Amino acid sequence: SAVISQKPSRDICQRGTSLTIQCQVDSQVTMMFWYRQQPGQSLTLIATANQGSEATYESGFVIDKFPISRPNLTFSTLTVSNMSPEDSSIYLCSVAGGQGAWETQYFGPGTRLLVL
Amino acid sequence: DAKTTQPPSMDCAEGRAANLPCNHSTISGNEYVYWYRQIHSQGPQYIIHGLKNNETNEMASLIITEDRKSSTLILPHATLRDTAVYYCIVRASGGSNYKLTFGKGTLLTVNP
Repeated sequence: SAVISQKPSRDICQRGTSLTIQCQVDSQVTMMFWYRQQPGQSLTLIATANQGSEATYESGFVIDKFPISRPNLTFSTLTVSNMSPEDSSIYLCSVAGGQGAWETQYFGPGTRLLVL
Repeated sequence: DAKTTQPPSMDCAEGRAANLPCNHSTISGNEYVYWYRQIHSQGPQYIIHGLKNNETNEMASLIITEDRKSSTLILPHATLRDTAVYYCIVRASGGSNYKLTFGKGTLLTVNP
């Protein structure tokens, strides 16, 4: 498995501002993903972060709202842009394809975002 | 990926076995059954996965029926710390298809 950290762990933001969330893994991984979990709901995949190319977004999510960077095999960022209260959620990073090309996804602890 | 059906909630007494069912009647031959759990306000934790044989690890056992249309996750001696939402997910193996589709899961409450 892998040890995954996210920063910040939580934040309270004003509407109209943007927040960048960082995801760091302790080993190189092939795949990194970003999920959103709205209050009382299950997890929804936002996008797959591709190293060296644009992220692949799921239906309903767009790059202008959730720009993603993946500069190397151990790090990714997700920005939540022009935030509104509806963006209040837990944002989770997950990884797969580490050494040995394991297919199981492992999740970070999440970033709890409250937008006022 | 095939859809899964789980009961919304279950209770279990501390120290007893917790048996969590999952139906996946449309599962394909190359699809694995994965189980994750999410303890309140934490990231999902991987538990176990299997294709067609029963699997066991330090956390749990996974029993898959012969026709693969359903499975049961067994926590042999449930503790209060096992209270969580348990997700059963079916996912194809191979290639770049790592995507996980989460349903609503089963809220397991372990009672003292």
